[in-house]
Amino acid sequence: DTEVTQTPKHLVMGMTNKKSLKCEQHMGHRAMYWYKQKAKKPPELMFVYSYEKLSINESVPSRFSPECPNSSLLNLHLHALQPEDSALYLCASSQEGFRNEQFFGPGTRLTVL
Amino acid sequence: GDSVTQMEGPVTLSEEAFLTINCTYTATGYPSLFWYVQYPGEGLQLLLKATKADDKGSNKGFEATYRKETTSFHLEKGSVQVSDSAVYFCALYAGGTSYGKLTFGQGTILTVHP
Repeated sequence: DTEVTQTPKHLVMGMTNKKSLKCEQHMGHRAMYWYKQKAKKPPELMFVYSYEKLSINESVPSRFSPECPNSSLLNLHLHALQPEDSALYLCASSQEGFRNEQFFGPGTRLTVL
Repeated sequence: GDSVTQMEGPVTLSEEAFLTINCTYTATGYPSLFWYVQYPGEGLQLLLKATKADDKGSNKGFEATYRKETTSFHLEKGSVQVSDSAVYFCALYAGGTSYGKLTFGQGTILTVHP
């Protein structure tokens, strides 16, 4: 299995809702990432987990809360989002050692109303 | 800090034309270099990579050579197809003060017409 899966594919939520994005990989990778991508722009790093521990938080607002329950799963919990948070949210994973290539999932298209 | 500069787009070509997308970088040390492709409505896919000077990455007819003397990693393909229409991102990983972080270029939109 050489893919990263993400659910849901699309999500529409109001500013008072609580929702979660899910990411899963079964490649034995020990680093997992969350990115945010706006249209026609490169991905922006949000969080990095290494060996299930949060190692990088790129000063992301607290309305985004990551969680890594085990080495295969990565969640992003969303609460009280703003319309400007609407974007494509990408998950990625890589082998231990960040010099290795990252494998990206298909993304969740999030719309905040 | 680390940075990647890609040629301005969009790039529009006819099928079977030769493609070059320029990429130059600034980084300390010896970064790993990558080209990613993003098809409409999808995530990023690794197209090719190179980890040391003079390495040539290749995949699906695309090639790029890690040139340390010119700090470049230009993407080339001899004959493009309509199905190559996508956004192409050049990226580097340098470690050090950018530990754990990929640095992306701004992306180049490629459109190939029949």
